[in-house]
Formats: sequence, structure tokens, C-alpha cells
Amino acid sequence: DVKVTQSSRYLVKRTGEKVFLECVQDMDHENMFWYRQDPGLGLRLIYFSYDVKMKEKGDIPEGYSVSREKKERFSLILESASTNQTSMYLCASSLGSGDGYTFGSGTRLTVV
Amino acid sequence: SQQGEEDPQALSIQEGENATMNCSYKTSINNLQWYRQNSGRGLVHLILIRSNEREKHSGRLRVTLDTSKKSSSLLITASRAADTASYFCATDNDYKLSFGAGTTVTVRA
Repeated sequence: DVKVTQSSRYLVKRTGEKVFLECVQDMDHENMFWYRQDPGLGLRLIYFSYDVKMKEKGDIPEGYSVSREKKERFSLILESASTNQTSMYLCASSLGSGDGYTFGSGTRLTVV
Repeated sequence: SQQGEEDPQALSIQEGENATMNCSYKTSINNLQWYRQNSGRGLVHLILIRSNEREKHSGRLRVTLDTSKKSSSLLITASRAADTASYFCATDNDYKLSFGAGTTVTVRA
């Protein structure tokens, strides 16, 4: 089974800190995605990547950046954390376009 | 952008009953997928139905797709306590998924 691993299950950070959320997949998937999930809003796409060193903005990229230096790793960076970035962050990967996604277990980030 | 909208928002049923939830969307799609999420953890892929398919089965799951009405339904038959979860539809219209807000299903013993 494909596994998507997110480095932290829970994270508490202070306002203004630079935050790194790491995601690693172990099955050579081409595509990787970062979503945030908030009650009543479902999942919203932040950034995605179809290839190494390639990134595309999703629906809510403001305040975030990403890095994909290796195929298996996709990092989400909060440049200067703010309280409105308190959320559940979900990483996902897929083999190719039009395929189902495999999700990690999520990182619940609290910014205080 | 959030494309799919699930209905109802919440559903409570007795063990053994069937659960049906619906999804409506706005634009044309390549495929539609359903996911399950337990207790705020990651989502698990359940089933994918392509735009040229009308019905698909997987175990106790049955999914229908009506592209003329831009709607889909997920039926879980003979529900079990372990089916208690949130269910999300996701539409693929540009090779990335847009998710709805989900239907929370509670199966009572």
C-alpha cells in the first residue's frame, strides 16, 4: 500500500514563526497536494506539484509556499504564521492525473 | 474552489439500515470520487466514477453519476458501526480535486 507520511500529528507555533510541514510518499507518485481543512468549509487546495521542482498555486496560496526538491517529498511552508492559519493540514499524492488520492494522517496546527 | 456540495450535512441511522448521501457540482468533470474520513484523520479513497460511467459498485458501496443533472449519490448498504465517519465527494475537472464540506454519518448500534 502507498503510504503518505506527515512529519507531525500536532503542532503549536507562535505568531510570526516560520513553519515547515513535511510530507513524504513512498510509492513514486508523480503528483502531490497540500490542502487545509476547516469546519464547514471542507478541504481547500493550497498548492500542488506535478513534478520535481514544479509547483502550482491552488485556491488559497496566500501566506504559504512549497518546495519539492525530491519526487517523494513535498514541503509546505508558512512564511510568517498567523492565527488564521490554525487548521488541519492534509497532504496527498496520486500516481497520475485522474487517479484517486492517498492522504496522510494530517497535521493539526495551532498558531498562538 | 469548492465545487461539490453534499446533502444532507448529517445523517443518523440504525445499524443494518442503508445510508444515502448526495453530491451536486457546478462544472463539467473528468471523474467524481468519494472519500471517507474517520475522527478528523486523513481521508481514505472509496470509489472513483468516470464521467462516462453511470453506476459503480464496490462491496457495500454503490455510486451513481448523472452528468446531465451534475449530481452523484453514494449508497452504503447494511451499515455498521464502523461506517460512522464523514464522507466527502470530490470532483476532478482539471486533474486536481475539489472537495465538498462533507456528510457526517452516525450509525447507531
